[in-house]
Amino acid sequence: NAGVTQTPKFRVLKTGQSMTLLCAQDMNHEYMYWYRQDPGMGLRLIHYSVGEGTTAKGEVPDGYNVSRLKKQNFLLGLESAAPSQTSVYFCASRRGLTGVVFGPGTRLTVL
Amino acid sequence: KNQVEQSPQSLIILEGKNCTLQCNYTVSPFSNLRWYKQDTGRGPVSLTIMTFSENTKSNGRYTATLDADTKQSSLHITASQLSDSASYICVVSEASNYQLIWGAGTKLIIKP
Repeated sequence: NAGVTQTPKFRVLKTGQSMTLLCAQDMNHEYMYWYRQDPGMGLRLIHYSVGEGTTAKGEVPDGYNVSRLKKQNFLLGLESAAPSQTSVYFCASRRGLTGVVFGPGTRLTVL
Repeated sequence: KNQVEQSPQSLIILEGKNCTLQCNYTVSPFSNLRWYKQDTGRGPVSLTIMTFSENTKSNGRYTATLDADTKQSSLHITASQLSDSASYICVVSEASNYQLIWGAGTKLIIKP
């Protein structure tokens, strides 16, 4: 039982480049989330999913797209990276009222 | 607007001392409230989760309380240890959707 895993752990992009962050969970959780956390700030919700094949916008969705083709995977895409997207990205999942389980995070730097 | 406010923003205490962190929220309708511990550079880890009918819940040296009438929660840490140094985040779940409303966190530093 690996919990929530994220790949990659670190990434450096140039402005305008694209990339996809992968989140995988093996706990059969229905809900999955993508958050970003900027230095000294709380987590902000980017997008979330309440089940396979469904996604919804969170608090700060602009510049990001997501897909949940399989229940265990939640992908976060940046089509054209900007320096303002430099942040630590956390994926999380939960089932019902259980506590949210977080991944270890992906540190992204956009130059 | 649904909000979660935490106080203090930061706190420094000596090892072995107790401390209490506060969380006030305006989230409605309320589903549950969670406290997380986040070590620097790591993802948050759940400490407690409380629903409307629960007043207190403990997890080792951590005890969380909830007053749903006044919409306040506290996290009490007993006999602090150096490993308690972290950010503690209060999160409230709204009952009408699947989103979680996050507080900005309290940064706790334990000094030897």
